[in-house]
Amino acid sequence: QSALTQPASVSGSPGQSITISCTGTSSDVGTYKYVPWYQQHPGKAPKLMIYDVSNRPSGVSDRFSGSKSGNTASLTISGLQAEDEAVYYCSSYTSSNIPIFGGGTKLTVL
Amino acid sequence: EVQLVESGGGVVRPGGSLRLSCAASGFTFHSHGMSWVRQVPGKGLEWVSGINWNGGSTTYTDSVKGRFTISRDNARSSLYLQMNSLRAEDTALYHCARDQSLYTFDIWGQGTMVTVSS
Repeated sequence: QSALTQPASVSGSPGQSITISCTGTSSDVGTYKYVPWYQQHPGKAPKLMIYDVSNRPSGVSDRFSGSKSGNTASLTISGLQAEDEAVYYCSSYTSSNIPIFGGGTKLTVL
Repeated sequence: EVQLVESGGGVVRPGGSLRLSCAASGFTFHSHGMSWVRQVPGKGLEWVSGINWNGGSTTYTDSVKGRFTISRDNARSSLYLQMNSLRAEDTALYHCARDQSLYTFDIWGQGTMVTVSS
């Protein structure tokens, strides 16, 4: 199973909104609701930001939102803040009964 | 405090073995599936192996099948990964992670580093 496809990098200015895409296939993103997004700061463990495509865990800012259309999931961060600068990974459950991750997207806050 | 703490990493020669451990605290360990996820420094995340709540079901990524074995001891709130026939490409930081539902990981450990080198 190949990794999900994410852009290598995105950037935005404080206060702006950005969207990170995550493209899979009908064997993963296109079929299952189990699509989470993780945030990872340098030297830290990943943190769950979105689960089941669009749900936020308790404590995660409502500036983070998720959606899905066909085989592509998206993470949108509104009102960008300096602390949002990190690497973001999408993941999906697959028809092989295992998960796969995207390659990660580095978000730079200008 | 809910936390996962990994141990057991180190430097090993190709073909060697290591056993990783993950100590869980602050939650009902036996209620959750668990997984190991690895990350080459500076690179992305790769799921390695998962185990259901009672150890009755295990899964592996293709590259480690037949070489790695995941297990758990609910009485000790611990997760393990026995790694045999290690290869250079197994070099990575190994995280244990709590499964919220079908491989959505809501709690992660900081990881233990495994280096396979001659």
